[in-house]
Amino acid sequence: GAVVSQHPSWVICKSGTSVKIECRSLDFQATTMFWYRQFPKQSLMLMATSNEGSKATYEQGVEKDKFLINHASLTLSTLTVTSAHPEDSSFYICSARDLTSFGADTQYFGPGTRLTVL
Amino acid sequence: SQQGEEDPQALSIQEGENATMNCSYKTSINNLQWYRQNSGRGLVHLILIRSNEREKHSGRLRVTLDTSKKSSSLLITASRAADTASYFCATKENTGFQKLVFGTGTRLLVSP
Repeated sequence: GAVVSQHPSWVICKSGTSVKIECRSLDFQATTMFWYRQFPKQSLMLMATSNEGSKATYEQGVEKDKFLINHASLTLSTLTVTSAHPEDSSFYICSARDLTSFGADTQYFGPGTRLTVL
Repeated sequence: SQQGEEDPQALSIQEGENATMNCSYKTSINNLQWYRQNSGRGLVHLILIRSNEREKHSGRLRVTLDTSKKSSSLLITASRAADTASYFCATKENTGFQKLVFGTGTRLLVSP
């Protein structure tokens, strides 16, 4: 149980285009999902917290208009990188909290999406 | 930055040896968690230790927590080549917020 999927697993796009990444909780409901960014050989940095049915909460320094987050259902959150530039190239990872599980403090992570912007 | 720090940054050992990784953090926490990440993959939750606990075991993993020093350690005993990965500590602050703050990570290489 507690599986989180991401799609696509990798994407290459041209500079200036927009890319949408999906994060799904497959066997549980997640009222809260998190989006992280990880540069090579570095740690995960939280970008935003996504709450179902409400606006996302962005971390300081993360551009809301560039990284659009939608959490329309209890099993799906999407991150759209708008007008992507080469510096947006990174590994994007989502996670979800299963509030019904005993370990409610545990976040389950997706496999990540590698974005390369040419 | 509130990000925690881990040391060593990289650790190379032989199979069968023990591996110890340390994590320091900056704020008052509710719990501390350790995660494992294989290269280019997502994170796998290993163990969670709450702020009122001092030590926890799970299989070959042993985690300690010293809240007075704001530090934790992860010990992997009898390491295997399959343990090769990056290991991250993550803290949940003692506030109403649910976010995790990750440490800088330790890259572990276990040679056969």
